[in-house]
Amino acid sequence: SQQGEEDPQALSIQEGENATMNCSYKTSINNLQWYRQNSGRGLVHLILIRSNEREKHSGRLRVTLDTSKKSSSLLITASRAADTASYFCATTPSGNTGKLIFGQGTTLQVKP
Amino acid sequence: ETGVTQSPTHLIKTRGQQVTLRCSSQSGHNTVSWYQQALGQGPQFIFQYYREEENGRGNFPPRFSGLQFPNYSSELNVNALELDDSALYLCASKTPGPNEKLFFGSGTQLSVL
Repeated sequence: SQQGEEDPQALSIQEGENATMNCSYKTSINNLQWYRQNSGRGLVHLILIRSNEREKHSGRLRVTLDTSKKSSSLLITASRAADTASYFCATTPSGNTGKLIFGQGTTLQVKP
Repeated sequence: ETGVTQSPTHLIKTRGQQVTLRCSSQSGHNTVSWYQQALGQGPQFIFQYYREEENGRGNFPPRFSGLQFPNYSSELNVNALELDDSALYLCASKTPGPNEKLFFGSGTQLSVL
């Protein structure tokens, strides 16, 4: 079974608005990553945050990690229609490099 | 562009048949992993290969097997196909070292009838 739970399952916003997606996981981790998937195609890596980090930025992306609550959030600011995709969090369990455990994903629709 | 290519892009098989899916990674990516993604779900880890040996496996039966070759290509083989094997199969590679970032191919969509 998958470790991650993502919330919400689906999100619809207008262009220019911010989008926030949340992820919870069950076990201790080495790091947490966020990936994007367009229309059932391959996944593209967005950002990685290590277990000893609390916040990370990359362009319009901001990721937070709270290991005490076993949760993470992804914020996309000033969204664009091209951001429409599914977003997945993925964790690397402690002591288990290489294997990623994915959440079920959040489907984001950005309306022009 | 991730530099990881998979073939074929689509495949239709019948129950009980065998299938081989192929993946070509970037030069220098000596770790490859395979994931199964059912419709509407996140990818699930099948197994990982490092330097041509399996070094990690998810909760998949032995009829799922793999190979990794010295030229950075790999295969996923599934025997005795079942209807529930219908899914998108994703190959991912990564560079040597502790970097956990994966580069994914576009996947093979397998339909089992």
